[in-house]
Amino acid sequence: QVQLQQWGAGLLKPSETLSLTCTVYGGSFGAYSWSWVRQPPGKGLEWIGEINHSGSTEYNPSLRSRVTISVDTSSNDFSLNLSSVTAADTAVYYCARASSGWHASYYYYYIDVWGKGTTVTVSS
Amino acid sequence: SYELAQPLSVSVALGQTASITCGGDNIGRKNVHWYQQKPGQAPVLVIYRDDNRPSGIPERFSGSNSRNTATLTVSRAQAGDEADYYCQVWDSSTAFFGGGTKLTVL
Repeated sequence: QVQLQQWGAGLLKPSETLSLTCTVYGGSFGAYSWSWVRQPPGKGLEWIGEINHSGSTEYNPSLRSRVTISVDTSSNDFSLNLSSVTAADTAVYYCARASSGWHASYYYYYIDVWGKGTTVTVSS
Repeated sequence: SYELAQPLSVSVALGQTASITCGGDNIGRKNVHWYQQKPGQAPVLVIYRDDNRPSGIPERFSGSNSRNTATLTVSRAQAGDEADYYCQVWDSSTAFFGGGTKLTVL
């Protein structure tokens, strides 16, 4: 059974860089893409981006200029860096495993395993 | 940007059927997925690719998708189904979530 364990700094000051890492335990690392999703307090889910085992990435256009997602296949880790944070980046950040591909001529992407989430607060 | 519209809240009597909608332009031409999120917990996938249930999800959860509306149906609603539900699609190399619907079981 796949489990995702995530960690990183939970309190940042404005303009600092958010850094989170997620380790994948169990299952095949190479058969999926690995994603980050965040949820501001009391609000809905926002997709941040994804990386596959070969290092190809996709990012939310609204965050693309500040986001880097990387992967270390040797240790089954993937990481999120978000630069120049502000109070608007305060949220619970989830790492996740995604399945994707083509079905009935349409591309699909869905998240089937989630980490427990890390609360990140940006405050001066 | 692809917009997904969900009602803020839906109420259902215990044991009855609830329908949660997710509206989007030609959403019937996309694969729609649904997540359940209870307070303080990570989301859980309950329906993928319109109408498929992951293992462990009760048959009471079902999905459909046509034209401009996808629907999550919760039959024989139980108190434990009370949660926020989010739809999600993929468009232009980006994953989009609906704003979420709070399901209340009365």
